[in-house]
Amino acid sequence: SAVISQKPSRDICQRGTSLTIQCQVDSQVTMMFWYRQQPGQSLTLIATANQGSEATYESGFVIDKFPISRPNLTFSTLTVSNMSPEDSSIYLCSVVDSNYGYTFGSGTRLTVV
Amino acid sequence: DAKTTQPTSMDCAEGRAANLPCNHSTISGNEYVYWYRQIHSQGPQYIIHGLKNNETNEMASLIITEDRKSSTLILPHATLRDTAVYYCIVRVAESGGSNYKLTFGKGTLLTVNP
Repeated sequence: SAVISQKPSRDICQRGTSLTIQCQVDSQVTMMFWYRQQPGQSLTLIATANQGSEATYESGFVIDKFPISRPNLTFSTLTVSNMSPEDSSIYLCSVVDSNYGYTFGSGTRLTVV
Repeated sequence: DAKTTQPTSMDCAEGRAANLPCNHSTISGNEYVYWYRQIHSQGPQYIIHGLKNNETNEMASLIITEDRKSSTLILPHATLRDTAVYYCIVRVAESGGSNYKLTFGKGTLLTVNP
C-alpha cells in the first residue's frame, strides 16, 4: 500500500494563528482527502484535494478556514486558519490506494490554546 | 453511502475469536463493505473488504450474509494489540466523484482483555 508521511505529528498553537499540515505520499495518487477527528469522535471528511483544481469541500467546511493545496500527485497541504480552541482535533490525510482501498496518514494532533 | 449500525463496544478474551457485527440493511447492489480499525492515536488501518462473497486475508475474515444486509468481521485469535475502534463502511464500487468518499460512523470499540 501507499506510504504517507504527515507533518507535523503534533503541535500546540495560539488562537488566531494558522497551521499548515503537509501530506507526502511515496507514489502518485489521483485522490487525496483531508479528515478531521475531534476528541472522542469519529472521522469527518473536510475536503477532497484535487490536483490542478480547487479542492471540493464538504458541507460545513469552507476554503477560507481550511485552504488546501495540491501542487502535484504526491503532495498536499491543509491549512487551519485563524484557529480557535474548537479547532483542536486530529487532522488526517488519506489517499485512494488501488490495492487496499484507502490509506491514511498517522495524523496531526493539533491543540489550540 | 448507506448507513451502518455497529455495537458501541465489545470485549474479547485474548486468544479467542472476536466477532464484530455490522448491519447495513439499506446496502445497494453496487456497494462494497469495508472494514477499518483505528488504534489509539493512529490513523485508520485497512483490514478487509468484500462485495458478496466471504473474504479472508492475513488479518481477518469477512462474512457477508446472503441478503448482504449484515456482515461480521472475525479476528480469529485476538491479541492485546487488536484493541481498537473498528469501523464498518459501505461504499459504491464504481469509481469517480463522490463515490470515492468514505463516510465513517462511530464504530465499535473492541477491548481485548488478558
